[in-house]
Amino acid sequence: DTAVSQTPKYLVTQMGNDKSIKCEQNLGHDTMYWYKQDSKKFLKIMFSYNNKELIINETVPNRFSPKSPDKAHLNLHINSLELGDSAVYFCASSQVQGGKGNEKLFFGSGTQLSVL
Amino acid sequence: GNSVTQMEGPVTLSEEAFLTINCTYTATGYPSLFWYVQYPGEGLQLLLKATKADDKGSNKGFEATYRKETTSFHLEKGSVQVSDSAVYFCALGGKLIFGQGTELSVKP
Repeated sequence: DTAVSQTPKYLVTQMGNDKSIKCEQNLGHDTMYWYKQDSKKFLKIMFSYNNKELIINETVPNRFSPKSPDKAHLNLHINSLELGDSAVYFCASSQVQGGKGNEKLFFGSGTQLSVL
Repeated sequence: GNSVTQMEGPVTLSEEAFLTINCTYTATGYPSLFWYVQYPGEGLQLLLKATKADDKGSNKGFEATYRKETTSFHLEKGSVQVSDSAVYFCALGGKLIFGQGTELSVKP
């Protein structure tokens, strides 16, 4: 049973479309994250939620909107997709709240987004 | 602000060679330090961690020591295998900052 699962695994879409990526964790963790990994493997945090509350919001265009209906789910909605949004997006969760310094992250297997 | 710098890849080694991947950091306070590994087509997974100065993290033959005096957390393995081929990320706890990743390729 996958600990952190995200869907879809691949997403190919046209510029200007709106799309969502879903993430669920069954580890009972309080904190969830979205990371973006570019073509050079550079990994950058986008958002972090703790128990449905936003705690980290990096400099991300407001076309990206996370939604956390409960602490086991953190979905990512992207409006008006652009070519530069093409990347692999990773969801992750942790037991300890981000910022406390002792956290171990569990990652999903990624969603490869290709904007044409 | 806090940051992590890793040696650039790709690193190509022969099986059974010694591995070092350098990682240095800049941080306020004493955050935990981590090494994560990403195998092809997968998400990252924790390889090892150290929570305070002079701590040594180890797992699967990999080791790294938290060096406060040199602000480093270099990853080492005495004898690499083909199955170790992956991308390795050094990370700083707190705001969870990752280095740029170092791709390792081990040839038989």
